[in-house]
Amino acid sequence: DTAVSQTPKYLVTQMGNDKSIKCEQNLGHDTMYWYKQDSKKFLKIMFSYNNKELIINETVPNRFSPKSPDKAHLNLHINSLELGDSAVYFCASSQLGPGNTIYFGEGSWLTVV
Amino acid sequence: AQKVTQAQTEISVVEKEDVTLDCVYETRDTTYYLFWYKQPPSGELVFLIRRNSFDEQNEISGRYSWNFQKSTSSFNFTITASQVVDSAVYFCALTDRPSSNTGKLIFGQGTTLQVKP
Repeated sequence: DTAVSQTPKYLVTQMGNDKSIKCEQNLGHDTMYWYKQDSKKFLKIMFSYNNKELIINETVPNRFSPKSPDKAHLNLHINSLELGDSAVYFCASSQLGPGNTIYFGEGSWLTVV
Repeated sequence: AQKVTQAQTEISVVEKEDVTLDCVYETRDTTYYLFWYKQPPSGELVFLIRRNSFDEQNEISGRYSWNFQKSTSSFNFTITASQVVDSAVYFCALTDRPSSNTGKLIFGQGTTLQVKP
């Protein structure tokens, strides 16, 4: 059983389109995250939700809107896609607490053309 | 500010060689946590180890070992007798302000390890 699963794994879309990436975790964690990995492989947090409440929003453009229907799901919707949005988006989860291990999904490769 | 530096961008070794990946961190916190993750060519991020700042005991797991030294703010990772399957990008990470309790990680730039047969 995949602990943190995200779909789709690959997504190719045109500029200006709107797309969503879905994420689910079956680890019973109360906190979920979206991280972005750029073309240089640098990883940076975008959002974090604890029990469906937003706790981190790292100066991400408004075109990115996360939604957490329950604590096992965290979806990422992106409006008006731009070329610069091409990246790998990782969903992750953990039990909130100092130093608790964060477990990542397999990543979603987004290419905007 | 919290910062993680992995100065080695790419390392190439021949199978069975030992290799050490360096990680240097900066933090003002007295309590903090360090992690290593592996990203193989298939792309997923795999958790390897977690270490808290109060536990300076080195850890060994099979061919993997970690050397945590607070005096030099380093948390280095050694692979003994490397294998082709060890080829991956390895990330060192640090909890960002554990007192804020957000779970946020600060990642290093990653080190790409290539193990040649």
